[in-house]
Amino acid sequence: DVKVTQSSRYLVKRTGEKVFLECVQDMDHENMFWYRQDPGLGLRLIYFSYDVKMKEKGDIPEGYSVSREKKERFSLILESASTNQTSMYLCASSFTSFRGGSGNTIYFGEGSWLTVV
Amino acid sequence: GESVGLHLPTLSVQEGDNSIINCAYSNSASDYFIWYKQESGKGPQFIIDIRSNMDKRQGQRVTVLLNKTVKHLSLQIAATQPGDSAVYFCAETPMDNFNKFYFGSGTKLNVKP
Repeated sequence: DVKVTQSSRYLVKRTGEKVFLECVQDMDHENMFWYRQDPGLGLRLIYFSYDVKMKEKGDIPEGYSVSREKKERFSLILESASTNQTSMYLCASSFTSFRGGSGNTIYFGEGSWLTVV
Repeated sequence: GESVGLHLPTLSVQEGDNSIINCAYSNSASDYFIWYKQESGKGPQFIIDIRSNMDKRQGQRVTVLLNKTVKHLSLQIAATQPGDSAVYFCAETPMDNFNKFYFGSGTKLNVKP
């Protein structure tokens, strides 16, 4: 069974704190993604990585950074958390090349609910 | 730019009835389409997918239909159950770029007992 694991399900942080959200996948996927999901706005891409140490900005990268030191692990960092970063954060992964069948599906973790007070 | 959208934001059905959830997309280069189910407080869960060289694909109680002429995708759920209550959204990606996924905003399915 495919597995994307987000280590923190619920976090409450103070404004200005540094926040780390960790994600691990066990499917040997090249691609890993961080999305945020807000009511009425759907899924918005923050950053993605197509290989170790490689990253590209998504649609809303401001206020975030990422780290990918190992293929299976992708971290989202909020350098200085602000209240407008209160949201649900979803990590996801996928293959980068055609695999056939359902092999190119993007798989999601269970989400990390972050509240910044 | 590309967009994936849904016609109905909320759908209420009676338990046992069939449900149809629709999705429109605008990128004619889209090759691969996915339906997800997202229960409250959880991450999206893969339901079924379809490639652009197919019109229909069936799974367990679910069927996805693809009409490339009008760029329309639908998810049919047979004999809807209370456990089917969730938000459903579609996603698409061009086959030559699996780094790019475009997501619809979602339809909430309410199943009445």
